[in-house]
Amino acid sequence: DIQMTQSPSSLSASVGDRVTITCRASQGISNYLAWYQQKPGKVPKLLIYAASTLQSGVPSRFSGSGSGTDFTLTISSLQPEDVATYYCQKYNSAPFTFGPGTKVDIK
Amino acid sequence: QVQLVESGGGVVQPGGSLRLSCAASGFTFSSYGMHWVRQAPGKGLEWVAFIRYDGSNKYYADSVKGRFTISRDNSKNTLYLQMNSLRAEDTAVYYCAKTTVRLYLDYWGQGTLVTVSS
Repeated sequence: DIQMTQSPSSLSASVGDRVTITCRASQGISNYLAWYQQKPGKVPKLLIYAASTLQSGVPSRFSGSGSGTDFTLTISSLQPEDVATYYCQKYNSAPFTFGPGTKVDIK
Repeated sequence: QVQLVESGGGVVQPGGSLRLSCAASGFTFSSYGMHWVRQAPGKGLEWVAFIRYDGSNKYYADSVKGRFTISRDNSKNTLYLQMNSLRAEDTAVYYCAKTTVRLYLDYWGQGTLVTVSS
């Protein structure tokens, strides 16, 4: 099975900072990669699918890139409401594995 | 608007069984695949199971294979997860989630808590 890893596992940044999270698949998954945001105590929310397509209603400060095995989620200017854990997920085929998550908070 | 409402969670003893339900509305349920995803307390998301729109194919995480069964009743717009031989490590919030035609998860329910404890 394909394994998903994320780095870092957590980060602390200042409001307005550019934040980058990396997700890596142990084998190529083309662009079948989604990113989800889970705020504390809330339900996960889809941010990005097909590695780089922003879900409707998601602020444009979020962006995704990558293909194959290496992917990134970037927040161009971190806002207080972005405090959350971010998960990547492969969806090319079962098992539809999630990455372990990256916790983002404000410095 | 899309609504997914899980039910059936609760406290069960190790080795016991539980059936979760997910009532769907606001979209054509019979046209979309559905997932179950769980989250143990303080832990990350774990994909559990997937069923195609017509129930023709089902897939499971290794951690639940042979113990859990995903099913759906398209006439009732309802997704199910039958959980047998429950273990302490199955304790989690269980979410149902709708897929798009490309199989990523675009809508999630609020979740139902399953606690396996003696």
